[in-house]
Amino acid sequence: EIVLTQSPGTLSLSPGERATLSCRASETISNNYFAWYQQKPGQAPRLLIYGVSSRAIGTPDRVSGSGSGTDFTLTINGLEPEDFAVYYCQQYGSSSWTFGQGTKVEI
Amino acid sequence: QVQLQQWGAGLLQPSETLSLTCAVYGWPFSGYYWSWIRQSPEKGLEWIGEINHNGDTNYNPSLKSRVTISVDTSKNQFSLNLNSVTVADTAVYYCARVSATVLYAMDFWGQGTTVIVSS
Repeated sequence: EIVLTQSPGTLSLSPGERATLSCRASETISNNYFAWYQQKPGQAPRLLIYGVSSRAIGTPDRVSGSGSGTDFTLTINGLEPEDFAVYYCQQYGSSSWTFGQGTKVEI
Repeated sequence: QVQLQQWGAGLLQPSETLSLTCAVYGWPFSGYYWSWIRQSPEKGLEWIGEINHNGDTNYNPSLKSRVTISVDTSKNQFSLNLNSVTVADTAVYYCARVSATVLYAMDFWGQGTTVIVSS
């Protein structure tokens, strides 16, 4: 299975700053089957980005995804209070999914 | 708007069978795969398996021997059975929709069910 490794584990930033989150895959991810999710305490994950760089419905345009092959990035420009949460990357391949271990963005 | 509502027993003893059900409201059941995912502090988010309206299934190889996912299309529901549970199966369990429209990401999720396995 493809292992996803996220870094850093925790990102301490202030509102208005830029957050850059990384996700590295153990193998090349094909067909752009790669997504990012946001999770807040007590809630289910929420889809933010799919297909590496496409925003899901409701995702603000300050949030963007990029990358290819084995290296992927989630960028949040101008952090708003509602952006402080945990973020997970996910890949789909061979009829199964794996997730990264998460990056916490904290104030 | 798609809504997934899930329910099931929250406290189990070791060796028992975990059973959860997820009902889908507000959207056709066919044309999608429907997944179960669990989350624990030890393992993070872990995909368990999926099913479509025809009953075609895919399972996580690490859980395959203990997992059964079934579907009741007349009720727009799908269910998870995980047998021979241990303390390691303690987690929050989620159901979710998988959509080709978002390149096989999971675009709608249930509210989660906390399952605790303890003697």
